[in-house]
Amino acid sequence: SQTIHQWPATLVQPVGSPLSLECTVEGTSNPNLYWYRQAAGRGLQLLFYSVGIGQISSEVPQNLSASRPQDRQFILSSKKLLLSDSGFYLCAWSLRTGGWNEQFFGPGTRLTVL
Amino acid sequence: LAKTTQPISMDSYEGQEVNITCSHNNIATNDYITWYQQFPSQGPRFIIQGYKTKVTNEVASLFIPADRKSSTLSLPRVSLSDTAVYYCLVGPISSGSARQLTFGSGTQLTVLP
Repeated sequence: SQTIHQWPATLVQPVGSPLSLECTVEGTSNPNLYWYRQAAGRGLQLLFYSVGIGQISSEVPQNLSASRPQDRQFILSSKKLLLSDSGFYLCAWSLRTGGWNEQFFGPGTRLTVL
Repeated sequence: LAKTTQPISMDSYEGQEVNITCSHNNIATNDYITWYQQFPSQGPRFIIQGYKTKVTNEVASLFIPADRKSSTLSLPRVSLSDTAVYYCLVGPISSGSARQLTFGSGTQLTVLP
């Protein structure tokens, strides 16, 4: 069966510090990968998606970036965090042939920027 | 983009059937309708997906009228553990740009004892 891991589960960082969140998927090959952010009490905002190694599409211009160094690894980064970067970050995957609607989400990372 | 509209919140009692409606007036011909459930501090979980008429699985039913401009998620005999936010999602099922997906604002369902 497929599983998706995210770490860390929670993170408190000062403004201006760097960020690295990691997501890995097990049990499937060539998945589509996604990063979402959810502000408190709000819906999901798609940040990045990837259809393959080194292929990243950005949905929202911001100080975040994403990379996919391996087939089942997706990394969200920032060089300098802003207060507005606080939120719940979710990684998700979907089958390449299954389309974009059937997405499976990880447990999330709660980021607080102080 | 197919924008979706859902009620912000709904209350129900244990054992009742709950119907949550989502409006998507400008749904495209190749769009499917998908519903997700999210508990606090967890990622959303896929519930059900459909294109037209009715779809049923072990968790819920999805009703879609002929014009497809709305859809209704039906949860039979809810329990306290069904308290969650429910999202309506509209987008193509075939490969394409993920930006075509639109998450609704979500409906907070609270099941009362």
